[in-house]
Formats: sequence, C-alpha cells, structure tokens
Amino acid sequence: KAGVTQTPRYLIKTRGQQVTLSCSPISGHRSVSWYQQTPGQGLQFLFEYFSETQRNKGNFPGRFSGRQFSNSRSEMNVSTLELGDSALYLCASSDRDRGTEAFFGQGTRLTVV
Amino acid sequence: EDQVTQSPEALRLQEGESSSLNCSYTVSGLRGLFWYRQDPGKGPEFLFTLYSAGEEKEKERLKATLTKKESFLHITAPKPEDSATYLCAVQGPHDYKLSFGAGTTVTVRA
Repeated sequence: KAGVTQTPRYLIKTRGQQVTLSCSPISGHRSVSWYQQTPGQGLQFLFEYFSETQRNKGNFPGRFSGRQFSNSRSEMNVSTLELGDSALYLCASSDRDRGTEAFFGQGTRLTVV
Repeated sequence: EDQVTQSPEALRLQEGESSSLNCSYTVSGLRGLFWYRQDPGKGPEFLFTLYSAGEEKEKERLKATLTKKESFLHITAPKPEDSATYLCAVQGPHDYKLSFGAGTTVTVRA
C-alpha cells in the first residue's frame, strides 16, 4: 500500500508570494491533517479535513488555508508569505473508522527568502 | 490546552546501553498517546499507540508503557540505527489533532 505522498518536496519562495502544497493520503483514508514543524516551535497542528470538510483548525493566521477534494487529496495554501513561514510542512492521513493513528508523509520543505 | 513534555532533550548512548525516554502529558480525557520516530529531513514514522494506563507495546528493541500521567519509551540494547528523534503526542477526546512534545534526540555510538 502506498504511503502518504507530498509534493513538492522542496520549495523556495519570495516574501509576499503565495504557495500551494499537495498531499495524497493513503488509499482509503478520509482524514487528512496538516502540521508545521520548525526548530523553535516543534510540530504544530494547522488543520484537519475529513470528508471534504474542515473539522478542526489550529492557532494560525488566516493566511493559512486548505481544502480537501472528493478523492481525499488535500491542498494547503499560504498567502502573503513571511520569512517565519519557512518550515517543514507535514501531511498526515488516518482512517478514523479503523483507528486514530496518523501516518505522515515526507513533508515539503518551504524556504521563504 | 493539551501539554506534552519530553525528557531528556538529548540522549547519547553506547551501543548496547539500554535507557528510557519520558513523556509527561496533561490532557482532559486521553483518547490515545502516540510515539513516533523521526529521522533528519523526513516525516515522523509511526511506532505505537497506547490507549489506557497499564498498556504496553513492543517492537524489536523498543517498548512503550503508559501510566495516567506519563509514558516511557524503553530502548533495550540499542544499535546505531536506532539513532533518531523520538516524538510523543497525545490526542484528546474532542477531536483528532495531535499535540506533540519537543522530542528526544537519541544518538547511539558503535
């Protein structure tokens, strides 16, 4: 079974630009969550989507948004990038019906210059 | 708000030298406690889920235990390939988000 796939793996953007990251969950998993990982703050929850609906949102500004499609694939968007948005963005998928474990992708390393 | 504290921050071990990592947590109604392993530049790799006090899970040289306030990850006779950052996370009763600790970075020397 294929794991969680995130694209792209690396991105370099300029301050003020916007970026879209993509996540394909494990087949059959309908829950997709996004996390931001930085050396200073560790892993922080951004939001969770389940059956195309945002179910929960972390404490991040409105510049961070996401969506989920009918095939459970998810995208997150960050607008008006700031230097502090440089981080590893991780996507995790889970099958709520069979357990609560979340399986992570390899992440997208975003660098804002 | 859920809180997770991991100790120590870093652990240097000689190959074969067993040790334990601690994860203390505060959550109103634990749905589950999770252990992950993360290698540099990669996503966290799922290791264990623990649901209730007294529960234990084992996988190769790793054993996770859970009490009402903390969890331990025991590494028995570690090998250099066990070098990684080990992350602990909790999930509360009302949603499926994970609250992570800062992690323990383990280095095993041959």
